[in-house]
Amino acid sequence: SYELTQPPSVSVSPGQTASITCSGDKLEHKYACWYQQKPGQSPVVVIYQNNKRPSGIPVRFSGSNSGKTATLTITGTQAMDEADYYCQAWDSSNAGVFGGGTKLTVL
Amino acid sequence: QVQLVESGGGVVQPGRSLRLSCAASGFTFRSYGMHWVRQSPGKGLEWVAVIWYDGSNKYYADSVKGRFTISRDNSKNTLYLQMDSLRAEDTAIYYCARGDGDYRLFVTFAYWGQGTLVTVSS
Repeated sequence: SYELTQPPSVSVSPGQTASITCSGDKLEHKYACWYQQKPGQSPVVVIYQNNKRPSGIPVRFSGSNSGKTATLTITGTQAMDEADYYCQAWDSSNAGVFGGGTKLTVL
Repeated sequence: QVQLVESGGGVVQPGRSLRLSCAASGFTFRSYGMHWVRQSPGKGLEWVAVIWYDGSNKYYADSVKGRFTISRDNSKNTLYLQMDSLRAEDTAIYYCARGDGDYRLFVTFAYWGQGTLVTVSS
């Protein structure tokens, strides 16, 4: 089955740029999404189709996908961005696949 | 606005069954594929199952195949998950989610419910 790999944790200072990676075989041939989940809340999509932002998501969130790696970038990270982030892709076997999640700490 | 409201969770013994429901509103339910996604306590997200907009196709994660059945009633704007032969490892918050996109290429879980907790324990 298809797998996506994320680092368990990433730390960033306020105002700096945070990058969270997601790797998978031939991921560049798929579309990656990113979800933000804060404690006790449901996930919220912050990037879809590799690099598109839903309405209401701040412009500091951006995404890219090349090689075997998709990347979520948060430019000018704020304390409110501290959360768990999950990448997701749709496999050709008609199955959703999530990465293991990355805990973003803003300190 | 889009709303998804899950119900039916609770405590159940191993080997027993439970049926979850997800009531949808604020969009044309019959036009969208729908999914169940679960999250074990303190763990990550796990996709569980999908049903096509018209119910014509259903796919499952290997971990639940043969035990769980996804279904929908487009006349009631409701999604279901029948869970049989439950195991301790099925303990999780179960979310329903609307799947947006071209299902040949990509699916985005654009909207999520608040989730319903299923605990499998003797």
